[in-house]
Amino acid sequence: QSVLTQPPSASGTPGQRVTISCSGSSSNIGSNYVFWYQQLPGTAPKLLIYNNNQRPSGVPDRFSGSKSGTSASLAISGLRSEDEADYYCAAWDNSLSGVVFGGGTKLTVL
Amino acid sequence: EVQLLESGGGLVQPGGSLRLSCAASGFTFSSYAMSWVRQTPGKGLEWVSAMSGSGGSTYYADSVKGRFTISRDNSKNTLYLQMNSLRAEDTAIYYCAKALGSVAGTSYFQHWGQGTLVTVSS
Repeated sequence: QSVLTQPPSASGTPGQRVTISCSGSSSNIGSNYVFWYQQLPGTAPKLLIYNNNQRPSGVPDRFSGSKSGTSASLAISGLRSEDEADYYCAAWDNSLSGVVFGGGTKLTVL
Repeated sequence: EVQLLESGGGLVQPGGSLRLSCAASGFTFSSYAMSWVRQTPGKGLEWVSAMSGSGGSTYYADSVKGRFTISRDNSKNTLYLQMNSLRAEDTAIYYCAKALGSVAGTSYFQHWGQGTLVTVSS
């Protein structure tokens, strides 16, 4: 049982917009930045979104993040086949004094 | 170019020990906090431990506290994870990850290694 809650799966067709939610609490998302990681099959995770809604250099602007209260969301617009991957949210947890991850969402491009 | 290369994984019996290493290059190692994150094959990510750039502060997940020890040798640009009293549930791919800055209390992992597999089984 992960501290941050994500839907286990999501799907969409090419060109569509999909969103992935991440729910936490006041000790993590409610008081710290949220980060999103993309993990393509057989590879290490890659930073996708930092500080709730910022994109590292090289990440397409099709990817966007938002946060409200104790929840966050990752949106992917103009869905492409290469977006098929696992997506994880993460935040520092003040009560646990550690990093907490969501359980991950497997995105399928139909 | 930032490179993180983990090593030291392998098969170990329950109750045994293993030391993982993460050799870093392409950046000023002592200026950055580092973490270990693990992933059970086919499952999600689990943060294990973090250490500040200076080595002065450390954090551990409750699941490994008292059994695992994180350390670093800034003269060798290397991060370590000493794992003792290993259990079957410690079986995972272990990644080292570089933080954005020197403070360990962050989930901002800018770069990741390719991982090393630890299997705990009799």
